[in-house]
This record gives sequence, C-alpha cells and structure tokens, in this order.
Amino acid sequence: GQQLNQSPQSMFIQEGEDVSMNCTSSSIFNTWLWYKQDPGEGPVLLIALYKAGELTSNGRLTAQFGITRKDSFLNISASIPSDVGIYFCAGHRIDSWGKLQFGAGTQVVVTP
Amino acid sequence: ETGVTQTPRHLVMGMTNKKSLKCEQHLGHNAMYWYKQSAKKPLELMFVYNFKEQTENNSVPSRFSPECPNSSHLFLHLHTLQPEDSALYLCASSQATGGADTQYFGPGTRLTVL
Repeated sequence: GQQLNQSPQSMFIQEGEDVSMNCTSSSIFNTWLWYKQDPGEGPVLLIALYKAGELTSNGRLTAQFGITRKDSFLNISASIPSDVGIYFCAGHRIDSWGKLQFGAGTQVVVTP
Repeated sequence: ETGVTQTPRHLVMGMTNKKSLKCEQHLGHNAMYWYKQSAKKPLELMFVYNFKEQTENNSVPSRFSPECPNSSHLFLHLHTLQPEDSALYLCASSQATGGADTQYFGPGTRLTVL
C-alpha cells in the first residue's frame, strides 16, 4: 500500500538532546498516530491525533497534526537511554476504513 | 491478561509444516488485524476482521489462512510456507467505530521458515 514518507531514517543523539521526526503524505488524513517499537516487541501507541492543528503531549513527547492534514511531527525532549527504539508514524484516511498507512520508521539511538 | 496477547512468541517451522498463530484481545474491541513486518520494510496489512467478518484480504497468498471465531480471538493458519515468509507477525485490534480507529498491537510472533 501507499507508504508515508518518514524522516529521518535514523538518528544518533546524545542523552539530554531533543529529537524531532516527521511524516508527510500526498493524501489527507483524519488520524495521525505515533508508535514506538522495541526490538522483538510490537508497536506501542505513544500519541494519537484526531484534529488538524492539534498539539498533544505525553510526558517528554509532543506530537502535532499538521494544518494541511498531510503531515505530522513528533518531538522527544531531553532524551534518555530508554528512548532507544524505532518510532513509527501511521495515518488513517477516512476513505479507507481499517487501513492504517505506516511510515518506514525512525531508528533512534541514544548515547550516554 | 490485558491488551493484546499473541502466542507463540517465537516459531520455527519447515516448509511442509502446518502451524497456527493465535491472537487474543482483552480490550472489548470489534476489529482485529494481521500485519507482517519484515526487516527494513513498513508494516504490511494482511487481513482485517470487523465483527468477525473478514473485510480485507490484502492480496495475501493462500498459504496464509485467517480465522476469527469471535471478536476477541484471531488465528492465522500457516501451511507450506516459504523462507521469504519469515518475519514478525503482528496482531492488532481497534474499536471499529468506522471512524478514526486507533489500533493497539500485540507483541508479535517471530516466525522463521527453514
């Protein structure tokens, strides 16, 4: 299926730094979701966004639903070692029930 | 048990074997999904069930056969698989309100086909 464009593909950062990643699409979405996946585990939902312009925080994580409804970004502030993992964006188009489209993921590596 | 559970967590099978993956959701959801996750690729949707009825088969080969006896349980029956079928198979569930469904994933089954 159609893939979301997620960038960057990977990030190597030092503990305490902030992290930013984003997803873009040529289609309009009604939902943006951000997941984190640890090795050997399933994706865990971090933040769900349902309205254009919506800005939502979950602890040190902040995500926004783009005004154009074609993009979203995720920020992690003051990274810690347990932030290591792969972060996926996913989007839901209203004309494709049950079909989430996923980005390829952003691998985050945090060094002490 | 809470959330979405999957068994087994790891499975190694030969190409002539028949095995089944099991998924159970404890969230009161009505929709369940199977995904395939291969290395370096985005998640691939395989099947969608809504209120026990299959609503999506994303051109999946017939060697994968899903079964959804009720809204809480989902199976994936495997037979005569190929080595390229080795992957992490993820189950997910959602409320299935017909709108912006948020999907919750299980831990996955790591499948290796020899």
